[in-house]
Formats: sequence, C-alpha cells, structure tokens
Amino acid sequence: KAGVTQTPRYLIKTRGQQVTLSCSPISGHRSVSWYQQTPGQGLQFLFEYFSETQRNKGNFPGRFSGRQFSNSRSEMNVSTLELGDSALYLCASSSQPGLAYEQFFGPGTRLTVL
Amino acid sequence: DQQVKQNSPSLSVQEGRISILNCDYTNSMFDYFLWYKKYPAEGPTFLISISSIKDKNEDGRFTVFLNKSAKHLSLHIVPSQPGDSAVYFCAASQKNTGNQFYFGTGTSLTVIP
Repeated sequence: KAGVTQTPRYLIKTRGQQVTLSCSPISGHRSVSWYQQTPGQGLQFLFEYFSETQRNKGNFPGRFSGRQFSNSRSEMNVSTLELGDSALYLCASSSQPGLAYEQFFGPGTRLTVL
Repeated sequence: DQQVKQNSPSLSVQEGRISILNCDYTNSMFDYFLWYKKYPAEGPTFLISISSIKDKNEDGRFTVFLNKSAKHLSLHIVPSQPGDSAVYFCAASQKNTGNQFYFGTGTSLTVIP
C-alpha cells in the first residue's frame, strides 16, 4: 500500500503570497489531519477533515484553510504569508477519526517564507 | 499555551542502556496518550499508546508509564539501540475529539554505539 504523499516537498514563497499544499492519504483512509511543525512549538494541530467535512480546527488564524475532496485528497491553503509561517507542514491519514494508532504521517512539505 | 511539554530537547544514551524520555501535560481531561518517533526527512510514525485507564503499556523494548496524579508520562526503551536514534514526540488527546492531538516539542535521542 502506498503511504501518505505530500506535494510539493519544498516550497519557497515571499511574504504576502499565498500557497496551496496537497496531501493524498493512504488508499481507503477517509480522515486527513494537518499539522504545523516548528522548532519551538513542536507539532500543532491545524484541522481535520473526514468525508469532505471539517471536524476539528486548531487555534490558527483564518489565513489557514483547508478542504477535502470526494477522493479523500486534501489541500490546505495559507493566504497572505508571514515569515512566521515558515515550517514543516505534515498531514496524516487514518481510516476513521480518533484512531491515533492508525494515523500515518506523510513526509511533510517544507515551506520557507522570505 | 503548550499543554504537552517535553522539557528535555535532547538525550544521549549508551547502546544497551535504558533510555527514559519524559513528558508532562497540563490538561486533566486528556485520556489518551501516544508516543511517535521521527527520523529526519520522514513523517512521525506511531510507536506506542496508553489510555488513562492504565498506568503501563508494554510493547517489546518499549514501555510507556502514565502517572495521572502527576500528569506525567514516560517512555522507557530497554535496551537502547543505535537505530532508536530519532526525535520522539509525545501527544495527548481527549476522547471524542477526533484526531485533535496535542504534541510536545520533541526529544532528540542519540544512542551511542
């Protein structure tokens, strides 16, 4: 079974731009969660989608948004980029929400904002 | 506000000895805890979990201990092996919140051959 894939793996943007990151879950998995990893804050939960519906949202500004498509693929969008948005963005998939032991992470997208 | 804390950013241990990684949490509503392991350039992988109805869970060389009164959990690796060198994250959640897990900042473990 193919793992969770994230594209692109690396991205460089400038302040004020917007960015879209993509996540393809493991086949058959319908839950996708997004996390931001920064050196000082660890992994912080952004949001979770299940069957195209956002189930949970972390404490991030409205510039961070996401969606999930009918094939369970998910995208997250960050608008009006700030320097502090530089981070590794990880997505994780599972067959059902809440099954943490079955939550598989992708390798992440490294976003650098200049 | 960091609800899950790993106060040791790094730990070095000799091969064959015990590695003890610690994690503290502040939210008494958390009832499910996990440890993840992360190698460079890869996403975290699930290692072991424990629910609040237990105080210990063992899986091979890995044991997680939970002290609810102290709001503290620890991961013991015995014996430590060089392949265990990675960053370890603890995470906590409250039932019925889906996959909304709160992660610590990670501890980088180096096992010296």
